[in-house]
Amino acid sequence: RKEVEQDPGPFNVPEGATVAFNCTYSNSASQSFFWYRQDCRKEPKLLMSVYSSGNEDGRFTAQLNRASQYISLLIRDSKLSDSATYLCVVNYGNQFYFGTGTSLTVIP
Amino acid sequence: NAGVTQTPKFRILKIGQSMTLQCTQDMNHNYMYWYRQDPGMGLKLIYYSVGAGITDKGEVPNGYNVSRSTTEDFPLRLELAAPSQTSVYFCASSYGVQGRGGYTFGSGTRLTVV
Repeated sequence: RKEVEQDPGPFNVPEGATVAFNCTYSNSASQSFFWYRQDCRKEPKLLMSVYSSGNEDGRFTAQLNRASQYISLLIRDSKLSDSATYLCVVNYGNQFYFGTGTSLTVIP
Repeated sequence: NAGVTQTPKFRILKIGQSMTLQCTQDMNHNYMYWYRQDPGMGLKLIYYSVGAGITDKGEVPNGYNVSRSTTEDFPLRLELAAPSQTSVYFCASSYGVQGRGGYTFGSGTRLTVV
């Protein structure tokens, strides 16, 4: 079983739409959670950490559900510039485990 | 601050050749990592280091070696390159494993083995 699993998509949404991604993790002792954004042929960049109480950064909201072992990312009012692959990352011990990413394309 | 710097950005190797991918960071991060990313796949951990003089294997260490003689540098060595090592390689660093800041990645090295 993979440490972290994501729906690869692709998600194609119109500008202004709201879109949500989920990510499940297998290890209940996982300690830290993150969403990263990766543009085509670029390095991943930290989008936001995910806190137990949930957190928001502008149009982006992240949630953590430890009981069901998943994290989510909600993007409101999608912009063309949000088109990218979104990686779910989970930390356990000395290592970070990456999901394969969910591809998002925002259409004009 | 430059962050995490990787060199070279691109390289073509012939089967059986060797090379070293360089990675240096100027953020005084104690943790450093090497990942590979194959097309359409997630990042897979090759090796990591929790501090100078300490290295550990990740998920896919075969065919690679690392060293960590200083806090700043974490080179990745490929001996006897094989086509299966064609990939994009990312070096990353973090201040602490459980740090809220997560990783800082280098811009990657695109390696082709022919």
